[in-house]
Amino acid sequence: GAGVSQSPSNKVTEKGKDVELRCDPISGHTALYWYRQSLGQGLEFLIYFQGNSAPDKSGLPSDRFSAERTGGSVSTLTIQRTQQEDSAVYLCASSLATSGGQDTQYFGPGTRLTVL
Amino acid sequence: RKEVEQDPGPFNVPEGATVAFNCTYSNSASQSFFWYRQDCRKEPKLLMSVYSSGNEDGRFTAQLNRASQYISLLIRDSKLSDSATYLCVVNDRRAGNKLTFGGGTRVLVKP
Repeated sequence: GAGVSQSPSNKVTEKGKDVELRCDPISGHTALYWYRQSLGQGLEFLIYFQGNSAPDKSGLPSDRFSAERTGGSVSTLTIQRTQQEDSAVYLCASSLATSGGQDTQYFGPGTRLTVL
Repeated sequence: RKEVEQDPGPFNVPEGATVAFNCTYSNSASQSFFWYRQDCRKEPKLLMSVYSSGNEDGRFTAQLNRASQYISLLIRDSKLSDSATYLCVVNDRRAGNKLTFGGGTRVLVKP
């Protein structure tokens, strides 16, 4: 079946430009997450959407970062005025957000962002 | 101190040997535990969940020690295809479903 998809797979941009990264979660998954992974580093949580609830934005590193999830499905992560330290792989994940037991998150292939 | 800590390795393992490594977590309220596998330049994929009583999936065995706040992963009869970075992941569901990842343990299985 279809997994989490992300686009673009690679994005090279100049410092100061805005970028938009897209995530299509698995159909039926109510929860959607954004993480980023810098070179040689672990994954860092950015933001989490769950149904119609207000998103958990506690991981966003600055106000240059924002995300939306329209219609409870597709999400867009926007980075304004990109800086070189924003260069990383941005990973999206989705899950069923089951209330009990272990809730498994499934990751997309990521968008590799390079800010020159 | 990081919330989830792992030995970065690499663990160089002869093919067919057994390798085990741990991960420690600092949040005693953590409720869910996972091992993810990440191949080079690929996304993380769930290897196995970790249950309180410990669990096994083929050649992989995971253990949880809540008192000492660590989880472990053991790989028996290592295959070349087991070479990857293994990510320890914990979740405090009361804080939402966001996962906290360790930095990963790199395993290299050699012929």
